[in-house]
Amino acid sequence: DTAVSQTPKYLVTQMGNDKSIKCEQNLGHDTMYWYKQDSKKFLKIMFSYNNKELIINETVPNRFSPKSPDKAHLNLHINSLELGDSAVYFCASSQVRTGDYNSPLHFGNGTRLTVT
Amino acid sequence: RKEVEQDPGPFNVPEGATVAFNCTYSNSASQSFFWYRQDCRKEPKLLMSVYSSGNEDGRFTAQLNRASQYISLLIRDSKLSDSATYLCVVNGGKYNQGGKLIFGQGTELSVKP
Repeated sequence: DTAVSQTPKYLVTQMGNDKSIKCEQNLGHDTMYWYKQDSKKFLKIMFSYNNKELIINETVPNRFSPKSPDKAHLNLHINSLELGDSAVYFCASSQVRTGDYNSPLHFGNGTRLTVT
Repeated sequence: RKEVEQDPGPFNVPEGATVAFNCTYSNSASQSFFWYRQDCRKEPKLLMSVYSSGNEDGRFTAQLNRASQYISLLIRDSKLSDSATYLCVVNGGKYNQGGKLIFGQGTELSVKP
């Protein structure tokens, strides 16, 4: 019973290619996120969606385009991949209560992207 | 100033030691606070939520000081299995920016036999 699942687990590709990462949650949460963890291990928020609506876009290059077909899914498409995009990408979900409080984040097991 | 700031690591301690981690946050309107643990090459996992009155879960005690915008995590009787990176997480506060949860840079703990 995986709560947050993302695929693929590993992605190795060449510069200039386009790739997608998929994420699904079965927790009934209303908010989903993409986080990027770079080589220095710092976890930085990229996007959040609340009930299919984009809420947070943290100055991510527009080569990154999230898509949420429904509140249980949040996919990430990356165009024209660059070396600097190499990182671990984590999908997560949470329940936002009354706009002020969050339930804890539940993470997928990550997608390790390597751009060569 | 970083939105969430943690003690620099690594912390190297012997088994059985007590170790404390500190975290400060910049947004006084933040309402939700958590400690996460991340093992090497794994996803972060919730260790515990942090409540205003402080809370304990076995060997782990979390404290919140809203006036100083400070969160702490105390681990008693350290085990080898406690070796991991500990992440402080704080939300975006009132009107919550859509549930934004911000991570500190993490503090690495290594427990030695």
